[in-house]
Amino acid sequence: GAVVSQHPSRVICKSGTSVKIECRSLDFQATTMFWYRQFPKQSLMLMATSNEGSKATYEQGVEKDKFLINHASLTLSTLTVTSAHPEDSSFYICSADSHRDLSYEQYFGPGTRLTVT
Amino acid sequence: AQTVTQSQPEMSVQEAETVTLSCTYDTSESNYYLFWYKQPPSRQMILVIRQEAYKQQNATENRFSVNFQKAAKSFSLKISDSQLGDTAMYFCAFMKETSGSRLTFGEGTQLTVNP
Repeated sequence: GAVVSQHPSRVICKSGTSVKIECRSLDFQATTMFWYRQFPKQSLMLMATSNEGSKATYEQGVEKDKFLINHASLTLSTLTVTSAHPEDSSFYICSADSHRDLSYEQYFGPGTRLTVT
Repeated sequence: AQTVTQSQPEMSVQEAETVTLSCTYDTSESNYYLFWYKQPPSRQMILVIRQEAYKQQNATENRFSVNFQKAAKSFSLKISDSQLGDTAMYFCAFMKETSGSRLTFGEGTQLTVNP
């Protein structure tokens, strides 16, 4: 159990366009979802925390208007990179916390590689 | 704010041998959780082991065990009988009890298991 999926796994887009990444909890309801960004050989950098039905909480330095996060249901959160630029190219990872067993464990998706040309 | 430090960017070990990865953290919290995650070349994050700060007993999961020293704020991971499949980036992570599951990650240690 506790599987998180991400779609797409890879995406290439042109500079100036927008791209949406989906994060789904497949077998549990995710009260909270997290979005991370990871550069090669570096650690995960938390971008934002989203709770179902409320606005996302962004980390300092993350542009809210550029990285739009919507947590519309207990199983789906989306990250939209608006007006993408080459510097937005990165590996984006989502995770979900079910709170179902108070285990305080995040379940991670497989990640999405975004390349902006 | 919490910080997590992994001072070994890269490590290598021979297959079947034992290796220890270091992690230190800084916090003023008394109730928190510590984790080791593994990220293989597929980049899927996998939970290796977790430790609750209120538990004195060190956590163990098969070949993986931790040495949790609360006073020293140290949380090292020992991998016994290393296998080729253990080759991965390992991240130490901290979560305070009141953070709503928010994780703070260390910089990571790239472990290579050599045949």
